[in-house]
Amino acid sequence: AQSVTQLDSQVPVFEEAPVELRCNYSSSVSVYLFWYVQYPNQGLQLLLKYLSGSTLVKGINGFEAEFNKSQTSFHLRKPSVHISDTAEYFCAVSGKAAGNKLTFGGGTRVLVKP
Amino acid sequence: DAGVTQSPTHLIKTRGQQVTLRCSPKSGHDTVSWYQQALGQGPQFIFQYYEEEERQRGNFPDRFSGHQFPNYSSELNVNALLLGDSALYLCASSLPGQGNYGYTFGSGTRLTVV
Repeated sequence: AQSVTQLDSQVPVFEEAPVELRCNYSSSVSVYLFWYVQYPNQGLQLLLKYLSGSTLVKGINGFEAEFNKSQTSFHLRKPSVHISDTAEYFCAVSGKAAGNKLTFGGGTRVLVKP
Repeated sequence: DAGVTQSPTHLIKTRGQQVTLRCSPKSGHDTVSWYQQALGQGPQFIFQYYEEEERQRGNFPDRFSGHQFPNYSSELNVNALLLGDSALYLCASSLPGQGNYGYTFGSGTRLTVV
């Protein structure tokens, strides 16, 4: 079975400061990893994904994430946040062994302060 | 190009009633998955439909059922509603055989059971 743990439920950060959201996963086989963002009263938007290849993945809106197989982590980073980055962020894992369904973490709420 | 469309956007039902939620996948997508997102939590996988058949199912009771039509649109039905069924219900679609590459999510249907 696969599972995802997002280590921080809330992350307050000042505008133009860097932010890192931590994600650890558990799976016995190869996985695909995703970060989604959810703005208030909206659905999920894909930020980036790791399928294979380079462990550093770049996504939309200046976000990037690094896949670390030995630490089973997929942390999300942004060097300088904007007020508009205030949202809920979800890490998710899928894989052929689980039939390609997505398993989500509990989410991290990012609050960007002016 | 329209993305994933869900209807209705909001719904209020009484305990014991039945509800039907609808989803039209993104153009070109043939696989539809449904997720339940309770307040403050990550989405939980309900089931996935492909070629008009339920292909996978998460840990949800039989009160949750679905259907996929020849045009790939889908319905989620919930019978004998409980207060705990109050949640945001998200529909996600993917390209044929490419669920591992990520899903496109709709904006969801907010169901409130009173």
